[in-house]
Amino acid sequence: DQQVKQNSPSLSVQEGRISILNCDYTNSMFDYFLWYKKYPAEGPTFLISISSIKDKNEDGRFTVFLNKSAKHLSLHIVPSQPGDSAVYFCAASAYETSGSRLTFGEGTQLTVNP
Amino acid sequence: DVKVTQSSRYLVKRTGEKVFLECVQDMDHENMFWYRQDPGLGLRLIYFSYDVKMKEKGDIPEGYSVSREKKERFSLILESASTNQTSMYLCASSLLGTTNEKLFFGSGTQLSVL
Repeated sequence: DQQVKQNSPSLSVQEGRISILNCDYTNSMFDYFLWYKKYPAEGPTFLISISSIKDKNEDGRFTVFLNKSAKHLSLHIVPSQPGDSAVYFCAASAYETSGSRLTFGEGTQLTVNP
Repeated sequence: DVKVTQSSRYLVKRTGEKVFLECVQDMDHENMFWYRQDPGLGLRLIYFSYDVKMKEKGDIPEGYSVSREKKERFSLILESASTNQTSMYLCASSLLGTTNEKLFFGSGTQLSVL
């Protein structure tokens, strides 16, 4: 039972354009959402997060939107750069604190073409 | 900088062998985790530990065990390796009480069971 789903295994965009990565979840207990980025041969690294009390969080070129009623979140990257090419994982937890277990999505491979 | 080191980048083992995957972190973190990453399935939690000699089952513990004899080291053990345990294994650590943004991953061990 996949509680966090990323329905697009891959996404290809042109440099300078917007990248939109989507994530859906089914568990109503999830209260905190994160995006991780993974380059080949490296571990995932934290990118951006959002608490369920917010509907938007922005950090430079990265913005995460949360629609609680639809149980949907999205990551926007504007403008996209070739260095953004990586696998992006959506993750969710019931609490904000560490040690509260993260449930990850399947990942989306983003390719930004020069 | 936090460093999470996994002992091997690539490992090839035979079916039925006992396999040890080692993970060491250098930041005195209480929490340590083992995940496996598979295409189309994302990251799934195998086991985690909040303290020395303490362990908790994750979502897919079957066929695995763990050992945490020292705070900095968390070992994943495959008692009798099987082909369906071929996967990328990722270790992570975090400080107790911090948020999930502060979850640090190692580079991973790609295990092939033949």
